[in-house]
Amino acid sequence: QKEVEQNSGPLSVPEGAIASLNCTYSDRGSQSFFWYRQYSGKSPELIMSIYSNGDKEDGRFTAQLNKASQYVSLLIRDSQPSDSATYLCAVINQAGTALIFGKGTTLSVSS
Amino acid sequence: SQTIHQWPATLVQPVGSPLSLECTVEGTSNPNLYWYRQAAGRGLQLLFYSVGIGQISSEVPQNLSASRPQDRQFILSSKKLLLSDSGFYLCAWSFLAGTGTYNEQFFGPGTRLTVL
Repeated sequence: QKEVEQNSGPLSVPEGAIASLNCTYSDRGSQSFFWYRQYSGKSPELIMSIYSNGDKEDGRFTAQLNKASQYVSLLIRDSQPSDSATYLCAVINQAGTALIFGKGTTLSVSS
Repeated sequence: SQTIHQWPATLVQPVGSPLSLECTVEGTSNPNLYWYRQAAGRGLQLLFYSVGIGQISSEVPQNLSASRPQDRQFILSSKKLLLSDSGFYLCAWSFLAGTGTYNEQFFGPGTRLTVL
């Protein structure tokens, strides 16, 4: 069974700080990786996708991928209270048909 | 731009009753379509996916079925609901493999189902 693991949190950071969210996956053959943000009671929203080793930056978000270590992370710079949500890490299965999700990390940003 | 709709937004049903949830996508053709369920305390689990009209694949054995009668319409059904069917049901779409941004999936607003 392919798995995606995340710390459930909650991760608490003060406003303006950097939030670091981590994810590990078990399928060494995985090629596509995603971060979704899910506000309470709402559906997941795609915020980052990454396919190659290294960093990918989009605004205040940076995704980092290390395939050798089977590790994906998401950094949120200048965290805002509006970033308070659950962040889901997802990995595409080898058939390319389904996303395998972690259970999510809850982030709380205090003002 | 693409838009995905789901209805109803919330549903309360008795055990043993039937179920029909609908999902439609606008602004794209030949999308891949997916049904996921998010149960309390559990992660998102893929239930069904479809790569075309009438083509349905099931990921887990269960009390549910899916159909795709039109290119951009995906329906989730059950003949008799169980208590364990309660959860947040999410429809998602992606571009057909080889077009657009491969593998990114975009979710609809979801249907929250409570079975009593």
